[in-house]
Amino acid sequence: QKEVEQNSGPLSVPEGAIASLNCTYSDRGSQSFFWYRQYSGKSPELIMFIYSNGDKEDGRFTAQLNKASQYVSLLIRDSQPSDSATYLCAVYNYGQNFVFGPGTRLSVLP
Amino acid sequence: DARVTQTPRDKVTEMGQEVTMRCQPILGHNTVFWYRQTMMQGLELLAYFRNRAPLDDSGMPKDRFSAEMPDATLATLKIQPSEPRDSAVYFCASGLGTVQRYNEQFFGPGTRLTVL
Repeated sequence: QKEVEQNSGPLSVPEGAIASLNCTYSDRGSQSFFWYRQYSGKSPELIMFIYSNGDKEDGRFTAQLNKASQYVSLLIRDSQPSDSATYLCAVYNYGQNFVFGPGTRLSVLP
Repeated sequence: DARVTQTPRDKVTEMGQEVTMRCQPILGHNTVFWYRQTMMQGLELLAYFRNRAPLDDSGMPKDRFSAEMPDATLATLKIQPSEPRDSAVYFCASGLGTVQRYNEQFFGPGTRLTVL
């Protein structure tokens, strides 16, 4: 059973701080890694995609991938109350299915 | 303002009935995804298409679910016969299927399906 694990939270951070969201996965053959953001009652949004070890930055978001340790993380710099949402990690091994984590609920406190 | 549209937005049906959900991807997008979300199972990818061809439908129960793209402007997800455990929100998303732009994936508003 391929698994993707995330802390369900809520993870609370003060406004302006760095929020760090973590995700571990069991399938060593996984090749692509995704972070989705979902506001309560809304559709998900794909916010980051990474497939190489290291960091990928996009605005205030940085995805970090370490395949040897089988984890992927999402850092949100200068966190804003509008970042309060559930963040879902997904892992894909080509030819097999996407596997989603249960999501981490982030709360950014003003 | 380009967006993914899904119909119907809400569907209530009885067990055993056929359900068809429709999705109109953003014009020019060549990749279409179908997702399902429930409280118990979370978000799951059911199938995805590139250039109208199914690339992966390993997440979809084959005995009752089918997904097609009859043309570039329409994707359908059909359940026959429906069961109460199919109750969920079904999302369609479209995007451009190149590695560099894979993070541009736009979701529709979802179809909330309730099977009684």
